[in-house]
Amino acid sequence: SAVISQKPSRDICQRGTSLTIQCQVDSQVTMMFWYRQQPGQSLTLIATANQGSEATYESGFVIDKFPISRPNLTFSTLTVSNMSPEDSSIYLCSTLQGGVYGYTFGSGTRLTVV
Amino acid sequence: AQKITQTQPGMFVQEKEAVTLDCTYDTSDPSYGLFWYKQPSSGEMIFLIYQGSYDQQNATEGRYSLNFQKARKSANLVISASQLGDSAMYFCAMRVGQIQGAQKLVFGQGTRLTINP
Repeated sequence: SAVISQKPSRDICQRGTSLTIQCQVDSQVTMMFWYRQQPGQSLTLIATANQGSEATYESGFVIDKFPISRPNLTFSTLTVSNMSPEDSSIYLCSTLQGGVYGYTFGSGTRLTVV
Repeated sequence: AQKITQTQPGMFVQEKEAVTLDCTYDTSDPSYGLFWYKQPSSGEMIFLIYQGSYDQQNATEGRYSLNFQKARKSANLVISASQLGDSAMYFCAMRVGQIQGAQKLVFGQGTRLTINP
């Protein structure tokens, strides 16, 4: 299965600023997924990113707040824009490769907004 | 809509005992897959076990087994001979959709498992 390198692993940011999270995959993958995990909660899908097309956002998430880049089949970024303390969460990227159960997750970005 | 329900917010088990974590699901799609993930305090998601909707036998992976009862729409995780390192958050998840489609995962609320020495 694919191996994902996710950066940064954690960050503390000022409200009103933006943070870009990067995920690099060691092989080409068609779909990448971005999740948010608020403190003590489950994972919620933010959007699905296919290479060469606009990301598909889930209900409650908008492109202006969470713009996603997918320039090639091995790389994607998620930006958390105009941050507020409510954005403090773990953000995880994920890919699907190698069959119906080949999901791989990045190690996560633990974001704290102060 | 697809939904995963985990009704046990927390579980406390003595070391070396077996533990069952409950998971029920709801979907109208005949093709689906069920997953269990472990999330330690570090935050990474560790894949444990997978069960496809058409699989005839319950999945097993070492100390992990999945008790799949399709008619009841349940997919409970059984951990045999629990170890202190099993203390973590456990998530049940469901993949819905055909291979050619957008196969996103839907997660349950999670169960925090604590193994006591």
